[in-house]
Amino acid sequence: DGGITQSPKYLFRKEGQNVTLSCEQNLNHDAMYWYRQDPGQGLRLIYYSQIVNDFQKGDIAEGYSVSREKKESFPLTVTSAQKNPTAFYLCASSGAVYQPQHFGDGTRLSIL
Amino acid sequence: AQSVSQHNHHVILSEAASLELGCNYSYGGTVNLFWYVQYPGQHLQLLLKYFSGDPLVKGIKGFEAEFIKSKFSFNLRKPSVQWSDTAEYFCAVRSVGGYQKVTFGTGTKLQVIP
Repeated sequence: DGGITQSPKYLFRKEGQNVTLSCEQNLNHDAMYWYRQDPGQGLRLIYYSQIVNDFQKGDIAEGYSVSREKKESFPLTVTSAQKNPTAFYLCASSGAVYQPQHFGDGTRLSIL
Repeated sequence: AQSVSQHNHHVILSEAASLELGCNYSYGGTVNLFWYVQYPGQHLQLLLKYFSGDPLVKGIKGFEAEFIKSKFSFNLRKPSVQWSDTAEYFCAVRSVGGYQKVTFGTGTKLQVIP
């Protein structure tokens, strides 16, 4: 079945460390997105990418970085510059213009 | 800048009551509009979407939404809620053309009391 796979489901990070969250899709979608979900704040857009080797900052990109070297993969790195990284991270993708987003199951990141 | 506002943060209704959740967006160009639902412990699911045409769109589970362009609104409605509708509801807007940025609202938690 086609879908979006996020790994790991739970991730723990020590302060000062960078950590990378994986997002892979086999839906052949061009666009991919990373969101952060915090209680009471909904989903906030971190980065998004329309095509390979191109990506745009979302509303809260500071302290994060991404790459899009392959169509099916859009990893997110949470750097030590992100002061409040504890959150639930969601990856999404969408295909043709008139199609909604598909979401992964998310990764919950916690700081030790 | 593109943004979405959901004014109701927490709504409590009795079963069979009617529901209307507000959603307003700001963006000067053409948009696609979506409502997603997140049931407890589950991931986001699409309830309904608006791309063009009839501004009244029907989705799954008896939900509908009306796009009012002049008010930049896309309110979600259901005539009679059930306990199983207890969930968090998110409105989202996608800018059409160029970079297709998708922005979500802060969500509305709906609690339906049996």
